[in-house]
Amino acid sequence: EPEVTQTPSHQVTQMGQEVILRCVPISNHLYFYWYRQILGQKVEFLVSFYNNEISEKSEIFDDQFSVERPDGSNFTLKIRSTKLEDSAMYFCASSDQQGVGNQPQHFGDGTRLSIL
Amino acid sequence: AQKVTQAQTEISVVEKEDVTLDCVYETRDTTYYLFWYKQPPSGELVFLIRRNSFDEQNEISGRYSWNFQKSTSSFNFTITASQVVDSAVYFCALRRDSGGYQKVTFGTGTKLQVIP
Repeated sequence: EPEVTQTPSHQVTQMGQEVILRCVPISNHLYFYWYRQILGQKVEFLVSFYNNEISEKSEIFDDQFSVERPDGSNFTLKIRSTKLEDSAMYFCASSDQQGVGNQPQHFGDGTRLSIL
Repeated sequence: AQKVTQAQTEISVVEKEDVTLDCVYETRDTTYYLFWYKQPPSGELVFLIRRNSFDEQNEISGRYSWNFQKSTSSFNFTITASQVVDSAVYFCALRRDSGGYQKVTFGTGTKLQVIP
């Protein structure tokens, strides 16, 4: 079964540094998402992306964050100047347009980001 | 606005006991999807079930069963004869039925510990 893949599985970065989290969505999917889960808390929506632009973003997704689909396969989340509170698990997800959402949103296994 | 409430923060049961995880949701949409995800200690999100708001039939899959009651806005999850491998955090989630775009709203999760 096709999967969403995320790299790296664990990223350790110094505070203030830029970090890029990478995702390869399922190939025929059109909608892409990033979610964040701070340790011990719920999974929170960050941003959705369709047709090369942001569809919706949450209040968490401030100017430090950006997303990009640089080619036909990758979907990236960039954090420009990381803060300690950015430490979390970041999940990428993708979905297709089949039916009216008959397919579940497919999540990657996550990237654990640790800011030192 | 959409909201998912999982009032049970943590539950401990002894192996082979049955356990029910509660989920109550709020939405103004007339059509929507409900989900349950399992998050084992390794951190990934494992899709368990999707339920369309039009389909109130209860579902059973092996030791898992789900009780969807639209009248009370609840979507409860029961594990029969629990096993140690069921120990995980379980998230209930809600998604509006809006074609391809599928932002998911998660509950805060219920941590289930099955004691051998």
